[in-house]
Amino acid sequence: DVKVTQSSRYLVKRTGEKVFLECVQDMDHENMFWYRQDPGLGLRLIYFSYDVKMKEKGDIPEGYSVSREKKERFSLILESASTNQTSMYLCASSLTGVWRNQPQHFGDGTRLSIL
Amino acid sequence: AQSVTQLGSHVSVSEGALVLLRCNYSSSVPPYLFWYVQYPNQGLQLLLKYTTGATLVKGINGFEAEFKKSETSFHLTKPSAHMSDAAEYFCAVSDGSNYQLIWGAGTKLIIKP
Repeated sequence: DVKVTQSSRYLVKRTGEKVFLECVQDMDHENMFWYRQDPGLGLRLIYFSYDVKMKEKGDIPEGYSVSREKKERFSLILESASTNQTSMYLCASSLTGVWRNQPQHFGDGTRLSIL
Repeated sequence: AQSVTQLGSHVSVSEGALVLLRCNYSSSVPPYLFWYVQYPNQGLQLLLKYTTGATLVKGINGFEAEFKKSETSFHLTKPSAHMSDAAEYFCAVSDGSNYQLIWGAGTKLIIKP
């Protein structure tokens, strides 16, 4: 089974702090994704990466950056945390596949509170 | 552009009753379709997927979904609801042009005793 591990289940930080959310997958997947999930808004894609050192902006990249130095690890960085970044953050990974029809596999999420 | 519509942000059924969660998509090419389930304070878990072949797809926990191209639908069903089915369900679609999925807004399934 694919295992996607997010470093923290719950995290509390202060406004203005630099925050790192870590995600590791153990199935040699090429693609990795960061989403945020807010009530009534569903899943919104922040950034994704289809290869080491490659990244693409998703729908809501403002205020975030990412790092992928190794294939198995994808980090989300909040450069200067703000209260409107309080949310559930979900990491996912997927294989590339021939037809790009592979499902995404999710971690358990990090519930981040910015005070 | 692709889009996914899930009808009803909340669906309530009695234990033992039929579960029907609706998903309609728009796509200019044959889509790949997915249903995910999210239990409280957890990540998303794949329930089932349609890529090619048989249009009736069976998933985990007794769920199934039927791909109907003429109706652009991929509704999720389960013959008899169980209390443990209470969760949020997400429909997602891909047209295969990239690695992203387009997500529906989710439907919370409530099971009444």
